[in-house]
Amino acid sequence: DAGVIQSPRHEVTEMGQEVTLRCKPISGHDYLFWYRQTMMRGLELLIYFNNNVPIDDSGMPEDRFSAKMPNASFSTLKIQPSEPRDSAVYFCASSSGVYTEAFFGQGTRLTVV
Amino acid sequence: AQSVTQLDSQVPVFEEAPVELRCNYSSSVSVYLFWYVQYPNQGLQLLLKYLSGSTLVKGINGFEAEFNKSQTSFHLRKPSVHISDTAEYFCAGSSGGYQKVTFGIGTKLQVIP
Repeated sequence: DAGVIQSPRHEVTEMGQEVTLRCKPISGHDYLFWYRQTMMRGLELLIYFNNNVPIDDSGMPEDRFSAKMPNASFSTLKIQPSEPRDSAVYFCASSSGVYTEAFFGQGTRLTVV
Repeated sequence: AQSVTQLDSQVPVFEEAPVELRCNYSSSVSVYLFWYVQYPNQGLQLLLKYLSGSTLVKGINGFEAEFNKSQTSFHLRKPSVHISDTAEYFCAGSSGGYQKVTFGIGTKLQVIP
């Protein structure tokens, strides 16, 4: 398996634009996580899914952020409209069950100017 | 919810010297603890985990950690570090249930030649 695949690796966008980040989890994994990493706040869990169903979205910062998982092999994190303070590295991770290792993608570095 | 505290933001250490990276967790009925490593421009990778059983956990790359319930600690150790160990290390914990894992702020390990 190629691991967790995220796209794009880098995204530069203007304030106010819509941004969509994509993630393909490892086949067979039924948990999917979206994290945001910044210097100030470290690694924050935004939302996670189990069997494509959102379980906990309490980490989503505000209504501008939304995440979907239409099927077991694909998830998106959307920011609309984007703001400069959204600049961060966004990681997607997946795992095969409770208390098992989460495998991380290489992240998407988002810069909002 | 489980929370973890990493006491040192940066740890410089000379090559071949021992190192300890400190992590404390909030007390809980059940606790599951992890250490992850992040190399520059990469996602996180699991070093080791404690779920139950032996309190001394051995991980990859010669790292080990000891679960200490009385001190609510899960410190990471390596007897002799290499330049290649230069990275950021994250302690993480979960109280169980739907596997909501909380990460610490991270500790940057700088190995000095």
